[in-house]
Amino acid sequence: GENVEQHPSTLSVQEGDSAVIKCTYSDSASNYFPWYKQELGKGPQLIIDIRSNVGEKKDQRIAVTLNKTAKHFSLHITETQPEDSAVYFCAARRRVGDMRFGAGTRLTVKP
Amino acid sequence: EAGVTQSPTHLIKTRGQQATLRCSPISGHTSVYWYQQALGLGLQFLLWYDEGEERNRGNFPPRFSGRQFPNYSSELNVNALELEDSALYLCASSERNLLAALPDNEQFFGPGTRLTVL
Repeated sequence: GENVEQHPSTLSVQEGDSAVIKCTYSDSASNYFPWYKQELGKGPQLIIDIRSNVGEKKDQRIAVTLNKTAKHFSLHITETQPEDSAVYFCAARRRVGDMRFGAGTRLTVKP
Repeated sequence: EAGVTQSPTHLIKTRGQQATLRCSPISGHTSVYWYQQALGLGLQFLLWYDEGEERNRGNFPPRFSGRQFPNYSSELNVNALELEDSALYLCASSERNLLAALPDNEQFFGPGTRLTVL
């Protein structure tokens, strides 16, 4: 089955710096790659997604890149703010309704 | 518009007992997904229901089961509870999502039910 690995498990940056989280997947048939943000006591919330026919997508301060050949995708957050502190999950979908998640990255943005 | 709701918020059981967790999807959503979020392990896919039928299940034993009701709400049942079943159980809903050729519909998550098995 699909296996999604996510790195790093924890990330601490200074406010204003950039943060990068990387994920790799195993199933070349995966075609949809969302990123979720989970704040304390809440369920994950979709922040950006990318499909396998696109190499990069940007939404204000966040961007995602996808390298299908290498089977990895990354989340980039620029100009980080304390409210960006949360746990971030990547995911890969290889078939409808079957989403596989990475183990999560705890991001801390220090003011 | 109300989001995905789950009940109860917390549930404490002992080994061998059964647990029932409930989920109400966003109005208009027909698909419901269940995930287990154990500490340090991310989200593990459990079950997917759409239009009252189980469409797919993850790599979990048969004592994890569920159902979806005509109003699209869903129940997750865990029988013969084990200590390692302690986790946050998340429910998500989306619009109908049956055709692989179409873009995946966004999954909206509820706040979860924290199950503790003693």
